[in-house]
Formats: sequence, C-alpha cells, structure tokens
Amino acid sequence: QKEVEQDPGPLSVPEGAIVSLNCTYSNSAFQYFMWYRQYSRKGPELLMYTYSSGNKEDGRFTAQVDKSSKYISLFIRDSQPSDSATYLCAMRPGTSGSRLTFGEGTQLTVNP
Amino acid sequence: DGGITQSPKYLFRKEGQNVTLSCEQNLNHDAMYWYRQDPGQGLRLIYYSQIVNDFQKGDIAEGYSVSREKKESFPLTVTSAQKNPTAFYLCACGGGGLGTEAFFGQGTRLTVV
Repeated sequence: QKEVEQDPGPLSVPEGAIVSLNCTYSNSAFQYFMWYRQYSRKGPELLMYTYSSGNKEDGRFTAQVDKSSKYISLFIRDSQPSDSATYLCAMRPGTSGSRLTFGEGTQLTVNP
Repeated sequence: DGGITQSPKYLFRKEGQNVTLSCEQNLNHDAMYWYRQDPGQGLRLIYYSQIVNDFQKGDIAEGYSVSREKKESFPLTVTSAQKNPTAFYLCACGGGGLGTEAFFGQGTRLTVV
C-alpha cells in the first residue's frame, strides 16, 4: 500500500465550478503538507504549504488538513481554464532533513 | 532572475551510454534534489544533497550517480546500469525557513533510442 494515495482522475469540470482535490495518507508522522501544480511537460510549482492541521487560504485556493482522518484537500473556487493541470499532493515528517513523499497526482481539466 | 535551470530539455541516449543531466540554481538554496517522474507513479526521489560535497541516495538510486562540488550545481549521470532510463527527470532545490522542495526546474525528457 502506498503511503500517500491520490485519485489520478482525470477530473473534468465546467468553468466557475468549485474543485475539490484530495489525498489520504497512512504515516502519522507527516507534519508538513504541500500542493504542487504541474502543467503539461513542465516542472511542478509549489502552490500551497501548510503545517499540521487546519486551513490555509490564498486567493481562490484553500488547503485543508485533517490529521485525525489523515486526509488533506485542496479547494479551487471559481475554477478557470488556466487551472487545467495536474495537482500533486506531497508531505513529510517534522524531522529535519526528512524526505518528501508525493501522491500520484490528479489531472484536472476546466472546460470553458 | 533567480531560478533553477535544467538542461537539456530533451535528451536521447543509446543503449550502453552514460548521459549527464545538468541542474543549476542561483537561489542560494542549500538542498538540491533529483526526481524521476513516470506515468502512474508520481515523483520518485533518486538522490538528494543538503550541503556541498555530501549527498544521499533516495528510493531509486540504482543506476544513477551525482556530484555536488558547488552549491549551485547538482548534475545527475544516468549510467548504462540503469535498465529503464526513459523518463521525465526533475531537479528541485529548497532550504531555509521553508525546508522543502520549493522550486523545480522545467525537467529533462530522456529517451533511450
């Protein structure tokens, strides 16, 4: 079983929809949680970064961490065609120098 | 502009050949990483380095080698011992307060011909 599970999709939504992307994990030592956005044939870019449980908002993006359920989410409000990309969740333990574990990525298409 | 640069963008390798992928950063980050990305498998860590002249194996280091002689540079060599080298290779750097892979390069697509 993978340490981080992420539905690969593909996920297709109409423009303006609220998108919910999710990951589950099994390692209770994970403390730092990230979301990356990757456009086709490009490197990932760090979108959101959260520590421990709670919510973090940045513009149209909200990252949510529920450590009790070992579940993290990324919400995209008022989705745009430019949001079409693969979204990767990633997480690591709190110890210094620990490695990042990535989910497989969810492919999202926002249709105009 | 500050950033992380990978070259070349596309690389073709013949069977039995070693090839070297370049990664350079001018962000003054201590840590650098090499990942391999394959369809359906996400990113897998090959090697990482947290300081000059030191590096550690990741999860899939067999058939790869690295060096870290300068803070700015972390080249990856794909040796002939790597049996399935066709993949998208990504270099990243990070460190300081963020303590994570904050920036990725644009990747190198390696194909065996």
